[in-house]
Amino acid sequence: GAGVSQSPSNKVTEKGKDVELRCDPISGHTALYWYRQSLGQGLEFLIYFQGNSAPDKSGLPSDRFSAERTGGSVSTLTIQRTQQEDSAVYLCASSLAEGGGNTIYFGEGSWLTVV
Amino acid sequence: QKEVEQDPGPLSVPEGAIVSLNCTYSNSAFQYFMWYRQYSRKGPELLMYTYSSGNKEDGRFTAQVDKSSKYISLFIRDSQPSDSATYLCAMSGTLGAGSYQLTFGKGTKLSVIP
Repeated sequence: GAGVSQSPSNKVTEKGKDVELRCDPISGHTALYWYRQSLGQGLEFLIYFQGNSAPDKSGLPSDRFSAERTGGSVSTLTIQRTQQEDSAVYLCASSLAEGGGNTIYFGEGSWLTVV
Repeated sequence: QKEVEQDPGPLSVPEGAIVSLNCTYSNSAFQYFMWYRQYSRKGPELLMYTYSSGNKEDGRFTAQVDKSSKYISLFIRDSQPSDSATYLCAMSGTLGAGSYQLTFGKGTKLSVIP
C-alpha cells in the first residue's frame, strides 16, 4: 500500500483481556517503530525493529507489552492483561533505514480503550 | 527538565494571521528537527524536516532551528482554517545508539478561525 497501514483502527476491550495490534509498513522500509500517544501526552517510543537486528525494546512500559516482526515486514504489538492506563493511541511508523536523517512515516493509529 | 518543551496551547488565530509555533530542547546531540501536523483522530504527518541550524521554507511554512539557543520554530503565513490541527515538534540525534528514536514535544493545538 501507499502508506503505513494499521489495524484495528479502534478497539474497545475489557480490563484483563489481551489485545493484538497489527502494522503493515510501507513497502521497502526496513525500519519499523511503535509509539504510544496518551491523552495530553506526547508520543512515547515503545520499540524499534531494523532488518534482522535484535529489536530495541527499551521503551516498552512493562512485561505485559511485547512485539514481533515477521519476515521483516508486518509487525504485531501485543498487550497482555490490559489495564485502563493502557488506553491510548498506538502508532506504528516506518522508514527506509535507521538513523536520524531518515524520514519517518506514521500510520493513522490503533485507538485502544480499556474499560 | 523534559528533553523537549512545547506549549500545548490551545492557540486560536484569525484566518490570514501569521502563526508562530516553538519548541525548546535540552539535548545538544539533537541534529535533526521535524514538525509533524496531526489532525483529529489521524496519525502525525511530516510537515517540515531540517538538519542542524538554519531556515527552511516550503510554501506557507518556514522552519527555523537555532542550535545555539536550543530553540526551533515553525511559522505559518496566511493561515487557513485547514491548518487547524495539533503541531508536534520532534527531534533526533546522529547515527548511533538511539539515533532512530524521535523525541516529541507534547504538541500545540492550533485553531484558525474563518
